[in-house]
Amino acid sequence: GAVVSQHPSWVICKSGTSVKIECRSLDFQATTMFWYRQFPKQSLMLMATSNEGSKATYEQGVEKDKFLINHASLTLSTLTVTSAHPEDSSFYICSARDLSGRVQETQYFGPGTRLLVL
Amino acid sequence: GQQVMQIPQYQHVQEGEDFTTYCNSSTTLSNIQWYKQRPGGHPVFLIQLVKSGEVKKQKRLTFQFGEAKKNSSLHITATQTTDVGTYFCMSPPFFGNEKLTFGTGTRLTIIP
Repeated sequence: GAVVSQHPSWVICKSGTSVKIECRSLDFQATTMFWYRQFPKQSLMLMATSNEGSKATYEQGVEKDKFLINHASLTLSTLTVTSAHPEDSSFYICSARDLSGRVQETQYFGPGTRLLVL
Repeated sequence: GQQVMQIPQYQHVQEGEDFTTYCNSSTTLSNIQWYKQRPGGHPVFLIQLVKSGEVKKQKRLTFQFGEAKKNSSLHITATQTTDVGTYFCMSPPFFGNEKLTFGTGTRLTIIP
């Protein structure tokens, strides 16, 4: 079945550095990908919707200059956390929507990336 | 690593009928969350279950966490057209080396 990968799965960085997280759809093309963040013991929170070839749509309260999203191809979206601070430490999850012409669309989630900012 | 299987994958019911989806894990879960995704939308958090044997209700929805914390269920009584969507469970990572595990989801369609 369709698989969405994320890289890296773990990242530890110093405060002030930038971190890039990749989300790839492995066997289908995804015109739309979603980025989520989950803090401990909290639910998944949508950060932004990434659209191939156009600007991402950010949810209210999410700083677009801090969380840069690039969806340059139909199989890759990247999230860059710029000038990361300890409060950015979280679990970041992407998902990709498969609109391959089947009867029903399916959304697949990546395994997540755990970010720890020291 | 832990895996969460969800059944059924698809369910078509007549409006007014009940619906149940099940999540089963190969390992003990620290907690489990349920999400609903409407067609074309993104997953929306419904509830979190933490305690063994816990049962929570939200109007027509009843959520249950198994005694062994390895399975969970979502039951909808007297489905309505607004219940259409995909329901999936998720087990958040509890320890640092665990990965988030999503169930595969159950797509519910309602026949008016």
